[in-house]
Amino acid sequence: AQKVTQAQTEISVVEKEDVTLDCVYETRDTTYYLFWYKQPPSGELVFLIRRNSFDEQNEISGRYSWNFQKSTSSFNFTITASQVVDSAVYFCALSEAKSQGAQKLVFGQGTRLTINP
Amino acid sequence: KAGVTQTPRYLIKTRGQQVTLSCSPISGHRSVSWYQQTPGQGLQFLFEYFSETQRNKGNFPGRFSGRQFSNSRSEMNVSTLELGDSALYLCASSYGLAGNEQFFGPGTRLTVL
Repeated sequence: AQKVTQAQTEISVVEKEDVTLDCVYETRDTTYYLFWYKQPPSGELVFLIRRNSFDEQNEISGRYSWNFQKSTSSFNFTITASQVVDSAVYFCALSEAKSQGAQKLVFGQGTRLTINP
Repeated sequence: KAGVTQTPRYLIKTRGQQVTLSCSPISGHRSVSWYQQTPGQGLQFLFEYFSETQRNKGNFPGRFSGRQFSNSRSEMNVSTLELGDSALYLCASSYGLAGNEQFFGPGTRLTVL
């Protein structure tokens, strides 16, 4: 069975601090996909990044970076120089590669991030 | 391209009633998935439709059903509503291939009284 764990329920930091959101996953599949989504107060989930299980390269997009480590089954997300607009709930998710189940996202419980001015 | 749209945005029903929620995917997307979000259970997968066929289903009772039309628009229906069905129902669309990112709509907030 697939499982995603986001152990940090809530994080609160002061603006301009760096913050890392942890994500640990479990799967028996050798091919799978990992995602991060952002859910602002409006409620809509916003896609941030996708990674497949064969691509362990870290990725940086502006102030956002992601660290994927298969050895520890982790896919962590770092925001550098955080801003108030980064305040949201962030979800890590996992999907398998088999076509029948490929669109089923298994989500973690989410981390509520609050950036204080 | 226009994003995923969901109607209605808010709904109030009473126990025992039924409800139908609608989702219009991004143009060109053939897969529509539905998720239920509650404070207690988080985000849970309901089902996915691809080319008018249900391709995958989550662990929800038969009161939850859905369908997809030839234009890829999808509806989900919940019959005999229970208080526990109060939730945010999110629809997501994608091209339907493994690894494709899913784009979510704004959701329908259902309150069951």
